[in-house]
Amino acid sequence: AQSVTQLDSQVPVFEEAPVELRCNYSSSVSVYLFWYVQYPNQGLQLLLKYLSGSTLVKSINGFEAEFNKSQTSFHLRKPSVHISDTAEYFCAVSEWGGATNKLIFGTGTLLAVQP
Amino acid sequence: KAGVTQTPRYLIKTRGQQVTLSCSPISGHRSVSWYQQTPGQGLQFLFEYFSETQRNKGNFPGRFSGRQFSNSRSEMNVSTLELGDSALYLCASSLGTGGASEAFFGQGTRLTVV
Repeated sequence: AQSVTQLDSQVPVFEEAPVELRCNYSSSVSVYLFWYVQYPNQGLQLLLKYLSGSTLVKSINGFEAEFNKSQTSFHLRKPSVHISDTAEYFCAVSEWGGATNKLIFGTGTLLAVQP
Repeated sequence: KAGVTQTPRYLIKTRGQQVTLSCSPISGHRSVSWYQQTPGQGLQFLFEYFSETQRNKGNFPGRFSGRQFSNSRSEMNVSTLELGDSALYLCASSLGTGGASEAFFGQGTRLTVV
């Protein structure tokens, strides 16, 4: 069984400041790792994913995340946030090599960017 | 290419009633998954369908059921509604299976049980 922990339920940050949203996972099998973003009254959008290869993955809008197998972490970072980044961010895992698309989500982190 | 469409967007039902939610996946996608999102429990997996077959089921009571049609459209049904069923129900479609296939989410159906 897998589980995902996002310790920070809310992260307030000023515009143009850097931010890190933490994600740790637990699994007895190998997993794929994802970050999804949810804007108010919307569904989830994939931000970035780690499937294999380079442990550092980047999104088109400046976010990046690094897979750390020894620490079972997949923290999300952005060097300079914008007001428009205000949203809820969910870390998720799915089973590597399994015949299922089932995602296990963390409880989410609300990123609140202030001017 | 049209995204995942969920209907209706909002729904108000009374305790004891039943409800059916609909999801139309992205054209060509054969996998559809359903999730329940609540403030207390977060995002929880309900079930997954691929080519009309249920591939996986979450830990929900039998009041929650679903099905998938030959055109990949999916419906989920909740019978004997309880107040605790109030939630945002999200549908996600994927091209294939295997965990690496990207999930595209609809905007959800907001169900309120009174």
